[in-house]
Amino acid sequence: ELKVEQNPLFLSMQEGKNYTIYCNYSTTSDRLYWYRQDPGKSLESLFVLLSNGAVKQEGRLMASLDTKARLSTLHITAAVHDLSATYFCAVSPYNTDKLIFGTGTRLQVFP
Amino acid sequence: ETGVTQTPRHLVMGMTNKKSLKCEQHLGHNAMYWYKQSAKKPLELMFVYNFKEQTENNSVPSRFSPECPNSSHLFLHLHTLQPEDSALYLCASSRRPPGGNEQFFGPGTRLTVL
Repeated sequence: ELKVEQNPLFLSMQEGKNYTIYCNYSTTSDRLYWYRQDPGKSLESLFVLLSNGAVKQEGRLMASLDTKARLSTLHITAAVHDLSATYFCAVSPYNTDKLIFGTGTRLQVFP
Repeated sequence: ETGVTQTPRHLVMGMTNKKSLKCEQHLGHNAMYWYKQSAKKPLELMFVYNFKEQTENNSVPSRFSPECPNSSHLFLHLHTLQPEDSALYLCASSRRPPGGNEQFFGPGTRLTVL
């Protein structure tokens, strides 16, 4: 059974600081997704990573994928309050249409 | 706006009621999904439909009954639910692989079972 683990589960960070969220998964896959969820809202797609070594950046967020290590990272640069949300990674097993989600990382950015 | 709509947004029902959740996607996708999001639990996949055919049932109790009349519409029929079924129910849609199956989510239905 595919398991997806994120850490940390909760992250409180000061504005202007950098930090990384980690996503580990237990079986082979070459498709990994990052989503953001604001309180009471739905999930918003952030990044789609489709191959080993893929790196994508949008604003202060950068995501990468290492399929050999079964690891993806979401790096936050110079955090701002607007980034406060819960971030989920999700992995798609080979030859399936489903996504297996991690537990989520709740990020809180304070002044 | 994500192109995936869900109604109702909030629903309160008793354990003996029958209700239905509706999802509609306007993105031209051909796969649709139901997820359950409970407090303190990862997002759980419930059902997957491809071209109106159910391809995944993740051991969901029979009190949840999905229906997919076409590629744009997905329903979740509810009957004799339990209080532990209270959760946020999210619908999503995607194109089929190849090319990645990025899923686009609707706003969700917040369900409370009394």
